[in-house]
Amino acid sequence: GAGVSQSPSNKVTEKGKDVELRCDPISGHTALYWYRQSLGQGLEFLIYFQGNSAPDKSGLPSDRFSAERTGGSVSTLTIQRTQQEDSAVYLCASSPVSDYGYTFGSGTRLTVV
Amino acid sequence: GDSVTQMEGPVTLSEEAFLTINCTYTATGYPSLFWYVQYPGEGLQLLLKATKADDKGSNKGFEATYRKETTSFHLEKGSVQVSDSAVYFCALRESSGDKLTFGTGTRLAVRP
Repeated sequence: GAGVSQSPSNKVTEKGKDVELRCDPISGHTALYWYRQSLGQGLEFLIYFQGNSAPDKSGLPSDRFSAERTGGSVSTLTIQRTQQEDSAVYLCASSPVSDYGYTFGSGTRLTVV
Repeated sequence: GDSVTQMEGPVTLSEEAFLTINCTYTATGYPSLFWYVQYPGEGLQLLLKATKADDKGSNKGFEATYRKETTSFHLEKGSVQVSDSAVYFCALRESSGDKLTFGTGTRLAVRP
């Protein structure tokens, strides 16, 4: 597609449930990033995929968070046993290998009740 | 580690006023610097960038100059419009890495 697509755009879930967030990057972009935007907290790096290399998971806040990228394209961020502090907007971005700028998706707003 | 510090908002200006949003950074190497903008209800968009010292990034009337001596990348615009109302994020990317480190964002509101 023309841009980075994320789904769902909004998700309300009960505390303790698992959720999956999807990101479809721009075709041909080899790098894919997940960030979290909490109210008043700015953007927090979560995980980064580059081609076939091992992902940089250094930003994942706990072992309840995981992500995979299948076939070098679509990525899924999974949060297990959700907690109220997981409520945030989860942003996905992609970039070509040699570019310095990211293209962001519109995000998934996650609310844990 | 790397960090970016932005002036706290919100910043409220009248139309045609001069805008400055301060940004300073801490990095171990020679980072590239960026400003991103998030308009209401939209995703983040790259506004401008600079990849080395003394470079000036510019776009849509906005400018920022990479100042290595003061580790700053302040965003300026000579005459703001109501349509510039948004949240502005300063960010850096280390020369040895790929991920962006963002500031907390500065909300700008422009009154007619």
